Amino acid sequence: DVKVTQSSRYLVKRTGEKVFLECVQDMDHENMFWYRQDPGLGLRLIYFSYDVKMKEKGDIPEGYSVSREKKERFSLILESASTNQTSMYLCASSPLDGQGAYEQYFGPGTRLTVT
Amino acid sequence: GQNIDQPTEMTATEGAIVQINCTYQTSGFNGLFWYQQHAGEAPTFLSYNVLDGLEEKGRFSSFLSRSKGYSYLLLKELQMKDSASYLCAVKDSNYQLIWGAGTKLIIKP
Repeated sequence: DVKVTQSSRYLVKRTGEKVFLECVQDMDHENMFWYRQDPGLGLRLIYFSYDVKMKEKGDIPEGYSVSREKKERFSLILESASTNQTSMYLCASSPLDGQGAYEQYFGPGTRLTVT
Repeated sequence: GQNIDQPTEMTATEGAIVQINCTYQTSGFNGLFWYQQHAGEAPTFLSYNVLDGLEEKGRFSSFLSRSKGYSYLLLKELQMKDSASYLCAVKDSNYQLIWGAGTKLIIKP
């Protein structure tokens, strides 16, 4: 069974704090993704990575950075948390996808509240 | 721009059949996915279509028409545990997933 874990289910931070969200997958997947999910909106891609130390911006990278030092771990960093970053953050992984057929496997999500 | 449309909410009765529609306009097409997401949980994969036609998997079926930019998810013999949001997503020409906002399905006894 593919397992994607995230470091926290719930997190409360103050405006201006630096926030780290960790994601680990155990299936040796090349691709890893960070999304945020807000009511009434689809999942929005923040960053993704297709290899160690590689990263690509998604649709909404502003205010975020990522780190992938090991294949199994992909971290999302909020450099200076703001209230508009209050959201559900979902990490996902998938095998290298030459033909588009592979689904993404999601972690349980981290509900982040910035006050 | 890229766009995925699906109804915001649907209600159906236990034991009945429901069809959730999804229309899309994307730059390229490399497959369409349906995911199920229970409240407060992660999305889980349901189905994948890349060719036109119907894919059946137990009580769930998914249909695709690429020429119409249209898909539907058909759920038969509805059970209370099917109450969830159903997410439609399309892989574009860059193999990136474009997500719809999801359809919240409410099952009534």
